[in-house]
Amino acid sequence: DAGVIQSPRHEVTEMGQEVTLRCKPISGHDYLFWYRQTMMRGLELLIYFNNNVPIDDSGMPEDRFSAKMPNASFSTLKIQPSEPRDSAVYFCASSWGRTAAEKLFFGSGTQLSVL
Amino acid sequence: AQSVTQPDIHITVSEGASLELRCNYSYGATPYLFWYVQSPGQGLQLLLKYFSGDTLVQGIKGFEAEFKRSQSSFNLRKPSVHWSDAAEYFCAVVPFSGGYNKLIFGAGTRLAVHP
Repeated sequence: DAGVIQSPRHEVTEMGQEVTLRCKPISGHDYLFWYRQTMMRGLELLIYFNNNVPIDDSGMPEDRFSAKMPNASFSTLKIQPSEPRDSAVYFCASSWGRTAAEKLFFGSGTQLSVL
Repeated sequence: AQSVTQPDIHITVSEGASLELRCNYSYGATPYLFWYVQSPGQGLQLLLKYFSGDTLVQGIKGFEAEFKRSQSSFNLRKPSVHWSDAAEYFCAVVPFSGGYNKLIFGAGTRLAVHP
């Protein structure tokens, strides 16, 4: 299995631009999580999905952030408009089963820099 | 407030020396407990986890952790550190609220290994 695949690995954009981060979970996994990692705040859970349905988005920082999961093999995290404080590493993770958080598999992350 | 705390931001040890990374949690009921490792530019990898039972847990790469209820701690140990262990280490919990699907991370401890 190829693992959780995130794209792009690096993204550099200018303030005000729209940014879309992509994630392909491991086949057969029914949970998908988006995390953000910054020096100041560490690893924060932004949102997670179960069977393509958003379950908890309480970690999404503000309305500029949105996430979708149109099917079991693809999810996006969109920032519009982007701001310099959004610069961070964004991780996607997938899992399965009732206690999904016990067995997360993480992607390699997308390093986002907003200038 | 509910939290998971890693008191040490940076630790430096000599290769071959023993290692202990500290983790404390503050939750009403003992949550599920985890240690993850993140190598530079990589996603997170699970080292070990504790749900119940034997309080000394063995993990991958020669790591172990001990759960101490009286101290609300779950410290990570390794008897002899290798240069390849240099990485960032995260303690994490799954609290019993939230449906067992929210993995909450500590701030991390960055480990440097001197030859």
